[in-house]
Amino acid sequence: KQEVTQIPAALSVPEGENLVLNCSFTDSAIYNLQWFRQDPGKGLTSLLLIQSSQREQTSGRLNASLDKSSGRSTLYIAASQPGDSATYLCAVRGSGGSNYKLTFGKGTLLTVNP
Amino acid sequence: GAGVSQSPSNKVTEKGKDVELRCDPISGHTALYWYRQSLGQGLEFLIYFQGNSAPDKSGLPSDRFSAERTGGSVSTLTIQRTQQEDSAVYLCASRDSYYNEQFFGPGTRLTVL
Repeated sequence: KQEVTQIPAALSVPEGENLVLNCSFTDSAIYNLQWFRQDPGKGLTSLLLIQSSQREQTSGRLNASLDKSSGRSTLYIAASQPGDSATYLCAVRGSGGSNYKLTFGKGTLLTVNP
Repeated sequence: GAGVSQSPSNKVTEKGKDVELRCDPISGHTALYWYRQSLGQGLEFLIYFQGNSAPDKSGLPSDRFSAERTGGSVSTLTIQRTQQEDSAVYLCASRDSYYNEQFFGPGTRLTVL
């Protein structure tokens, strides 16, 4: 059974700092990995999608990397802003029989202080 | 274009009542999912629809939960005889068939008193 762990559970940084959020998964047989952002009381916004054959994806100040063999992904946020404050969720889609559903971590609550 | 929409955004009900939650996926997306997010818990898979195939109901927590998808588009999640432990945010997602990226709706916050 796939398990996804996100560390740290919470992170508080001053504005302008670069930061890294970590995600690990137990079964390396994945189809893809998605990073989401969730604002309080809101749904999930997809940030980056990395296919299993890819090593990284970039969107603006965000860069996500994937090391499938070691079961790890990182989300790098450059020059953080107060508007980046949210919960960041990592989710993996398996490549086996249940290869259509996402397994989520519990998220990292990020606070960027002005 | 329009994203995934869900209604109602909030639902407060009394224990024992039935509730229906609605999801409108992104047009053209054949795959549709329901997930549940409980306080302090991660997102939990409930059910998956793909085109005309039989849905995967393996995540439904009890037989009080059911879902249908009419015409390959709109989906309804029904919870019968609601219990307090059903209180959660119910999220719907649809998936594009090219990049296989899932897009989520804003969710329905269900409170069972």
